[in-house]
Amino acid sequence: GAVVSQHPSWVICKSGTSVKIECRSLDFQATTMFWYRQFPKQSLMLMATSNEGSKATYEQGVEKDKFLINHASLTLSTLTVTSAHPEDSSFYICSASHYTSGRGEQFFGPGTRLTVL
Amino acid sequence: AQTVTQSQPEMSVQEAETVTLSCTYDTSESDYYLFWYKQPPSRQMILVIRQEAYKQQNATENRFSVNFQKAAKSFSLKISDSQLGDAAMYFCAYTGTGNQFYFGTGTSLTVIP
Repeated sequence: GAVVSQHPSWVICKSGTSVKIECRSLDFQATTMFWYRQFPKQSLMLMATSNEGSKATYEQGVEKDKFLINHASLTLSTLTVTSAHPEDSSFYICSASHYTSGRGEQFFGPGTRLTVL
Repeated sequence: AQTVTQSQPEMSVQEAETVTLSCTYDTSESDYYLFWYKQPPSRQMILVIRQEAYKQQNATENRFSVNFQKAAKSFSLKISDSQLGDAAMYFCAYTGTGNQFYFGTGTSLTVIP
C-alpha cells in the first residue's frame, strides 16, 4: 500500500521559534497533500490543501502567514509553524493522494507531536 | 457545508460481541464517499472501510460492515466478534467533489476482556 512518512515524529521548541514538519510520500507521487491538526481527544481539523507547484488553500480561520505550507515536489510537502506559541502545541497529521488513486482515497502519515514551551 | 456527526463519544463492548457505531452526515451532493477510520493510541489513521454513495450494497471487510442508508444520510459501522485490538478511536469521514475529508468528532471504543 501507499506509505506516507512524517518527520520529525515529535518536536519540542521554545516559544517564538519556527518549526518545520516534513511529509513525504514514499512510494507514489502525491499530487495533493492535506494538513490536519488534532487536539487531544478531538477530531482532525483540516488546515490546508496543497497541490504540487501551486499555493496552498487554507481553511477558514487558519493563518496562512503562521502556518506556511510548501509542496515543491510530488513527494514532499512541508508545514512550517512560524513564531510558535504554546497554543500551537498539537498533533499535526498530513495525508496525500494521487489523481490515479481511487476517488477520495487519502493516505495518512503517522503524525507529528509539537510541544511549544 | 458538509457536516459529519457521531453522537456516541464513547462505546464499550464485551470481547467477541458485536457493537455498532453511529454516524450521520449532511450534504447536498449526490456523488460522495464515506469512510470509517480507526485511530489507535499510536495515532496512525487506519482505513477500516469505505463506501461509495452510488453503490446500494453495503461495504464489508471481514468483521467490519456498514449499514448505509442514503436517504436517511446514515452510515453506521458494525464490528462483529470484537477483539481487544479493536479498541481505538473511530472516526466517520466524508469526501465529495472537493476531495477534502470532513471528519466526525469520533467514538472511543473500549473492548472489555
